[in-house]
Amino acid sequence: NFMLTQPHSVSESPGKTVIISCTGSNGSIASKFVQWYQQRPGSAPTAVVYQDNQRPSGVPDRFSGSIDSSSNSASLTISALKTEDEADYYCQSHDSNNWVFGGGTKLTVL
Amino acid sequence: EVQLVQSGAEVKKPGESLKISCRVSGYFFTNYWIGWMRQMPGKGLEWMGIIYPGDSDIKYDPSFQGQVTISADKSINTAYLQLNSLRASDTAIYYCARFWQHLDHFDYWGQGTRVTVSS
Repeated sequence: NFMLTQPHSVSESPGKTVIISCTGSNGSIASKFVQWYQQRPGSAPTAVVYQDNQRPSGVPDRFSGSIDSSSNSASLTISALKTEDEADYYCQSHDSNNWVFGGGTKLTVL
Repeated sequence: EVQLVQSGAEVKKPGESLKISCRVSGYFFTNYWIGWMRQMPGKGLEWMGIIYPGDSDIKYDPSFQGQVTISADKSINTAYLQLNSLRASDTAIYYCARFWQHLDHFDYWGQGTRVTVSS
């Protein structure tokens, strides 16, 4: 089955840029769309990127997504970090019969 | 306004069954998939399965196939997740979410239902 692997945690300072990776295995990540969700403590997830690099309405352009076929990975880039960006981030993809989430990355902004 | 409202927190004993509901409003229930996700304490999101209420097409993650039952009642715009023979390891928050097929993402989420299984 297709799987997505994320780093357990990342940390960066306010105002800086952070990149969270999501590596696919048992299949090509480029052949499926990748989404990214933000989950703050005690809240349901919300999408911040869909279809690899599209932002839902209301998500600031500090959030961007990309795909690297050569490394079979997707990335979520958050620029000009704010303390409010501190959360768990999950990548997600699907084919016709299975949806899959990455294990999640805890972003600490300190 | 699109809303997904889930049933309230539950405390169950091992071996019992439970049916969680997800009542939707603000859109045509039959036109979008509804997915169910599990989040165990301190852990990540796990996709359990998904239903298309329009024709009751259902897909399960192999890990949950046979352990849970997903259904929907079009007459009351509600999707369900049934958990059978509960174990302590079923203790988790369960989320329903609308899947917007055209844009490939879960765009609206329920508030989550906390389930505690303890003797």
